[in-house]
Amino acid sequence: AQSVAQPEDQVNVAEGNPLTVKCTYSVSGNPYLFWYVQYPNRGLQFLLKYITGDNLVKGSYGFEAEFNKSQTSFHLKKPSALVSDSALYFCALGGSSNTGKLIFGQGTTLQVKP
Amino acid sequence: DTAVSQTPKYLVTQMGNDKSIKCEQNLGHDTMYWYKQDSKKFLKIMFSYNNKELIINETVPNRFSPKSPDKAHLNLHINSLELGDSAVYFCASSQVADTGELFFGEGSRLTVL
Repeated sequence: AQSVAQPEDQVNVAEGNPLTVKCTYSVSGNPYLFWYVQYPNRGLQFLLKYITGDNLVKGSYGFEAEFNKSQTSFHLKKPSALVSDSALYFCALGGSSNTGKLIFGQGTTLQVKP
Repeated sequence: DTAVSQTPKYLVTQMGNDKSIKCEQNLGHDTMYWYKQDSKKFLKIMFSYNNKELIINETVPNRFSPKSPDKAHLNLHINSLELGDSAVYFCASSQVADTGELFFGEGSRLTVL
């Protein structure tokens, strides 16, 4: 069965410091992996995706993610956090059935403090 | 110009009532979805339509009935509302299933009293 996990409910970082939001997955076959961000009372916004190719994927707002097949991980990173990055982040797994269905992780709240 | 729009944004109603949420996308996408986000922020797919055809129905109670009059619209009708139906319902669309990113609406917060 496919699954995706975000082991941290919350990540706290100081502004200007690097941030990492963790995601691990389980799938048979090739994974299609996504990161989305949700600001309070808003819909989810796409940040980046990994389908194939380079393991380091660059996305919106300076975010990037590293696909690691051996560790079945797809951690979200940013070199220097901003207070405005504070939001709820979701990792998602697709690619199982060509239906567009995404399986979302539990979400990780990122709190960036000034 | 809003890409995926849902109405209403907020809905407060009594148990047992019937309500509908409407969704429209102007992106020209072929696939539309309904996702439910519960009070713990957990997101789960409910339905997916591709070119007006139902392709995903994730064991949702049959009190929930999606309708897609055309590929730009996907509405959600809920009969006999229950307390557990309280959640935020998100409509989304994508052009390419599986590899294409989803574009989400702003959500419709349903509160059942």
